[in-house]
Amino acid sequence: QKEVEQNSGPLSVPEGAIASLNCTYSDRGSQSFFWYRQYSGKSPELIMSIYSNGDKEDGRFTAQLNKASQYVSLLIRDSQPSDSATYLCAVNMNNYGQNFVFGPGTRLSVLP
Amino acid sequence: DAGITQSPRHKVTETGTPVTLRCHQTENHRYMYWYRQDPGHGLRLIHYSYGVKDTDKGEVSDGYSVSRSKTEDFLLTLESATSSQTSVYFCAMINEQFFGPGTRLTVL
Repeated sequence: QKEVEQNSGPLSVPEGAIASLNCTYSDRGSQSFFWYRQYSGKSPELIMSIYSNGDKEDGRFTAQLNKASQYVSLLIRDSQPSDSATYLCAVNMNNYGQNFVFGPGTRLSVLP
Repeated sequence: DAGITQSPRHKVTETGTPVTLRCHQTENHRYMYWYRQDPGHGLRLIHYSYGVKDTDKGEVSDGYSVSRSKTEDFLLTLESATSSQTSVYFCAMINEQFFGPGTRLTVL
């Protein structure tokens, strides 16, 4: 059973702080990794993807991947109240869509 | 995203009744997926399709069937709805990172 685990939260951070979201996965053969943001009552939207070890930055977002530790994280710098949402981690073992495995999500609350 | 719609958006039904959810896309994508989302479980794959009349089971397919007679439409049917199928259902073209708006289904 392939598993993706996340702390369900809620994670509360003050506005302007760095929010750190973590995800671990069980399948060592996983090849691609994704972070989605989901606002309450809405569908998930992709915010970051990462395929190789190290950091990938996009604006205020940085994804970090460590395949040896089977760990992927998302950092949000200068957190804003509009970042308040649930963040889903997803792992794909072999780049086929049917092999996406989603974590349960971490709820982030950015306090003004 | 305007390229993928779901209907109905909300439905309340009773245990034992059949229910069909529709996913419609205008992007001519080959692969389409049905997920359900429940608290504490994240998104779980029900069925997927890799072309017209080509479908396969996902992780939680029991109690569900699908059909795809046209590229643009992917139907999810609950043959006899149960309370455990109360959930939010998302259609997705995940290879392209498109999710539909979701259908909230309540089975009483």
